[in-house]
Amino acid sequence: NAGVMQNPRHLVRRRGQEARLRCSPMKGHSHVYWYRQLPEEGLKFMVYLQKENIIDESGMPKERFSAEFPKEGPSILRIQQVVRGDSAAYFCASSAGQGSNQPQHFGDGTRLSIL
Amino acid sequence: GESVGLHLPTLSVQEGDNSIINCAYSNSASDYFIWYKQESGKGPQFIIDIRSNMDKRQGQRVTVLLNKTVKHLSLQIAATQPGDSAVYFCAESRTDSWGKLQFGAGTQVVVTP
Repeated sequence: NAGVMQNPRHLVRRRGQEARLRCSPMKGHSHVYWYRQLPEEGLKFMVYLQKENIIDESGMPKERFSAEFPKEGPSILRIQQVVRGDSAAYFCASSAGQGSNQPQHFGDGTRLSIL
Repeated sequence: GESVGLHLPTLSVQEGDNSIINCAYSNSASDYFIWYKQESGKGPQFIIDIRSNMDKRQGQRVTVLLNKTVKHLSLQIAATQPGDSAVYFCAESRTDSWGKLQFGAGTQVVVTP
């Protein structure tokens, strides 16, 4: 069983460029979540999506950040005009549904470095 | 060995001993709790979860205890092994914001031979 797949594993961008992070959920999972982790900190929730819908984006910065989970293909977290403070590890998780018997399972993350 | 929430971020445990990792949560409305293990360079790995209508749940070598009165969660690892060395996070969520897990800062567990 393939787990949650994220790519790229490492991404380097210069200030002002765009970063696109991809996440393919576990097979059979239709719920996707994005989190950000700074060094030696816990994960911070960003956004929760189901196919073609954003369910909760309360953790997303209001500007430059967007996320989608199209009907076909992976979920994408897009960061426009990146700044140094965007450097972090970005983790995607997926679940089969909502509820306490549907825990979130995480990928190994994309480490974004801004030069 | 035993940690006291976030005030002792590193827990050193001798191989074979039992580990206890503690977590204090602040939101009394939280009704679902999960423990994750994160190894260096990897994503969080699900260990065990517990709903607020339970006070104890056991898995393979792990036990989670929930005390809602004092808003305290603990993870017990029996016979700690070198492979248990990692950072352990507790996470909580509420029914009205189900997908939004709130993570604690984590506890580094170091298993010594």
